[in-house]
Amino acid sequence: DAGVIQSPRHEVTEMGQEVTLRCKPISGHNSLFWYRQTMMRGLELLIYFNNNVPIDDSGMPEDRFSAKMPNASFSTLKIQPSEPRDSAVYFCASSYRGRRETQYFGPGTRLLVL
Amino acid sequence: AQKITQTQPGMFVQEKEAVTLDCTYDTSDPSYGLFWYKQPSSGEMIFLIYQGSYDQQNATEGRYSLNFQKARKSANLVISASQLGDSAMYFCAMREAGTASKLTFGTGTRLQVTL
Repeated sequence: DAGVIQSPRHEVTEMGQEVTLRCKPISGHNSLFWYRQTMMRGLELLIYFNNNVPIDDSGMPEDRFSAKMPNASFSTLKIQPSEPRDSAVYFCASSYRGRRETQYFGPGTRLLVL
Repeated sequence: AQKITQTQPGMFVQEKEAVTLDCTYDTSDPSYGLFWYKQPSSGEMIFLIYQGSYDQQNATEGRYSLNFQKARKSANLVISASQLGDSAMYFCAMREAGTASKLTFGTGTRLQVTL
């Protein structure tokens, strides 16, 4: 079974450039989550969707960050313009909303902004 | 107040021994779920085990078991017969019914299994 798929796995970009991270959730899952992980702040939830609708974006750091989920099998997280402090590992996770609702994580995108 | 507390930044255990990783949580919601994830050096987050607040028995998944003490608000992960491949960061997380689908993570415990 295919797990959560993220691309790219690594991204190196220069400050000011636009960065787009992509995620394909597990088929049949109806919730999708974007997290950011850094040494200083640990794992932070940025935004999550339920049935393709953004439910909570309170973790999105600022207007430079945006996320979309145009359909049940695809989501993007965009940073424009990127800054060095955005360097982190970005995880996408998906779950089926039910009693347990276990979140399954993708492999992550390691982003470095120079 | 921290919702999830993992007080052990690092632990060592010898191969084939059992180890307990501590996790305490704070919630006033009667319905919640507790999760443990493993993050090896390769970086991926791997789901290990789940315990629901209304579950009568402690959860077990192979070599992993969860020592759930509801009154003490603790959900310790027990790994039996440690293997070198168990060396990783381990995160405890909680989902409260009142916060819908959101997970709150602890700061993690780094486990090193030695020969």
